Amino acid sequence: DVKVTQSSRYLVKRTGEKVFLECVQDMDHENMFWYRQDPGLGLRLIYFSYDVKMKEKGDIPEGYSVSREKKERFSLILESASTNQTSMYLCASAPGTGARGKLFFGSGTQLSVL
Amino acid sequence: AQTVTQSQPEMSVQEAETVTLSCTYDTSENNYYLFWYKQPPSRQMILVIRQEAYKQQNATENRFSVNFQKAAKSFSLKISDSQLGDTAMYFCAFMKHYRGGGSEKLVFGKGTKLTVNP
Repeated sequence: DVKVTQSSRYLVKRTGEKVFLECVQDMDHENMFWYRQDPGLGLRLIYFSYDVKMKEKGDIPEGYSVSREKKERFSLILESASTNQTSMYLCASAPGTGARGKLFFGSGTQLSVL
Repeated sequence: AQTVTQSQPEMSVQEAETVTLSCTYDTSENNYYLFWYKQPPSRQMILVIRQEAYKQQNATENRFSVNFQKAAKSFSLKISDSQLGDTAMYFCAFMKHYRGGGSEKLVFGKGTKLTVNP
């Protein structure tokens, strides 16, 4: 089974802190994604990566950056956390071809910024 | 830009009964995919069912089936013989068809919270 592991299930940070959310997948997938989930807003794409060191902005990249130094790991970085970044963050992966929209998700990180 | 609309924030159904979740979408694309994803209380989202727009036949997966109306841009999910384990958030999603595959950028709706009552 494909496993997508997010390093923290719950995280509490202070305003202004630099925050790293880590995601690791074990199926050699080319594509990796970071989504943000908020009640009443659904899932919104922050960034995605289709190869090592490659990244593309999603719909809401402001305030975030990403890093993909190794194929299996995709990190989301909040350079200076703000209270409006309190949210559920979901990581997902998919093979480079043939996935036809089937994403494999992690269990999410609930981030609270105080 | 594509949009996906789920008009039912919450629904409930009795165990063993049938429930239908609604989804509409807006796109100018002709080739695309539509999905229903399920997010149980464990938070890990899984794909329930997928429909390719060029296929006229509605997709089915065991107790789950869809009613795909391309002209009306409607894509509803029917769950038959509802089980307690079906309790979850359900998200409708859209993806353009990319030649050669890849990208997999999905646009999600806001979700419908389904509760199955014993």
